[in-house]
Amino acid sequence: DAGVIQSPRHEVTEMGQEVTLRCKPISGHNSLFWYRQTMMRGLELLIYFNNNVPIDDSGMPEDRFSAKMPNASFSTLKIQPSEPRDSAVYFCASSFMTAVNQPQHFGDGTRLSIL
Amino acid sequence: DAKTTQPPSMDCAEGRAANLPCNHSTISGNEYVYWYRQIHSQGPQYIIHGLKNNETNEMASLIITEDRKSSTLILPHATLRDTAVYYCIVRVAADSSYKLIFGSGTRLLVRP
Repeated sequence: DAGVIQSPRHEVTEMGQEVTLRCKPISGHNSLFWYRQTMMRGLELLIYFNNNVPIDDSGMPEDRFSAKMPNASFSTLKIQPSEPRDSAVYFCASSFMTAVNQPQHFGDGTRLSIL
Repeated sequence: DAKTTQPPSMDCAEGRAANLPCNHSTISGNEYVYWYRQIHSQGPQYIIHGLKNNETNEMASLIITEDRKSSTLILPHATLRDTAVYYCIVRVAADSSYKLIFGSGTRLLVRP
């Protein structure tokens, strides 16, 4: 079975540029999560969706960050304009929320470097 | 969600059992214990979870004390590929937020 698929795996861009990270959740999962991992702050939840609807975006650092889930099989995390402090590994995860105890399954992340 | 405390690092010899402890003394009756691990450069991987009974799957065993204030993840025959950061997380499974709050975890080094 295909797991959570993220693209690109690596992204290097200059500050001020728009960055779009993509995620394809596991088919049938109805919850999707975006996390960010840095050495300083560890793994942090940015936002999550249930049934394509954003439920909690309290982890989104500022207005430069936005996330969308136009359908059940695709989500994007956009940073505009990007800044060097946005450099991190961004993970997407999905789960089947309706059933209790279902674990989250993570993609392999996008390593983002803002110069 | 209850807070967890884990040792920052541990090591064990290949082929031996790795026992990773986790303290969650403030756990509530409806909170589950979850274990994930993160191998270098990969996303976190779900291992196992439990409420109060001991659990076992193909990856590991989870032993939860009777008072539920601590637990131990057991990798019965550690291999070099088990070298990773292991996270113990406590949360309410039926909580609609379904958030996972990751702490610092335990960095396990499996020695040849």
